Amino acid sequence: EAQVTQNPRYLITVTGKKLTVTCSQNMNHEYMSWYRQDPGLGLRQIYYSMNVEVTDKGDVPEGYKVSRKEKRNFPLILESPSPNQTSLYFCASSFRGPPNYGYTFGSGTRLTVV
Amino acid sequence: QQQVKQSPQSLIVQKGGISIINCAYENTAFDYFPWYQQFPGKGPALLIAIRPDVSEKKEGRFTISFNKSAKQFSLHIMDSQPGDSATYFCAASFLHSNYQLIWGAGTKLIIKP
Repeated sequence: EAQVTQNPRYLITVTGKKLTVTCSQNMNHEYMSWYRQDPGLGLRQIYYSMNVEVTDKGDVPEGYKVSRKEKRNFPLILESPSPNQTSLYFCASSFRGPPNYGYTFGSGTRLTVV
Repeated sequence: QQQVKQSPQSLIVQKGGISIINCAYENTAFDYFPWYQQFPGKGPALLIAIRPDVSEKKEGRFTISFNKSAKQFSLHIMDSQPGDSATYFCAASFLHSNYQLIWGAGTKLIIKP
């Protein structure tokens, strides 16, 4: 089944403890992206990647890191999480990105930083 | 100028009625306008999209109406069903932003049986 898989689905952590949220897609998509979703703010892009070893900042990159060493994987790293990073996170992928190709989203990771 | 303003924030419609969600934008360079549907516990999924060279696009019960002069576009759901209850996001993008999507804030739609 074609899908974007994120892990974990739920995570509670403490301030300052490094964490990684994994994202993997099995569709050979070139384009991958991370979003955070907060009530009333919609979806805000954190980072995106047009292809292997090519990443760029989105609208809210502060406090996050990403890497794209393989086409299928695009992990999101929080080196020193803070409570304002408590959010619902989505990974998305696309063959080459809009407008010709829509995004396929993962099921989300709900992160709580205490 | 990069914003996409979506309204209403929430909407309750009777089964069989028409649901209408509106979005407005400022940047006239936008040339791709998708709508995504998100069910609880799931990621958004592409529902329907339009380019500004047409004023309307229909797929089943879902229609996008596009008004280029007013810089507005809207989603109409005809014969709304309880299974349509979800959060709907409009978005916009353009070529020179590598087609990065600018998202509306979302509309929570509830269809009452």
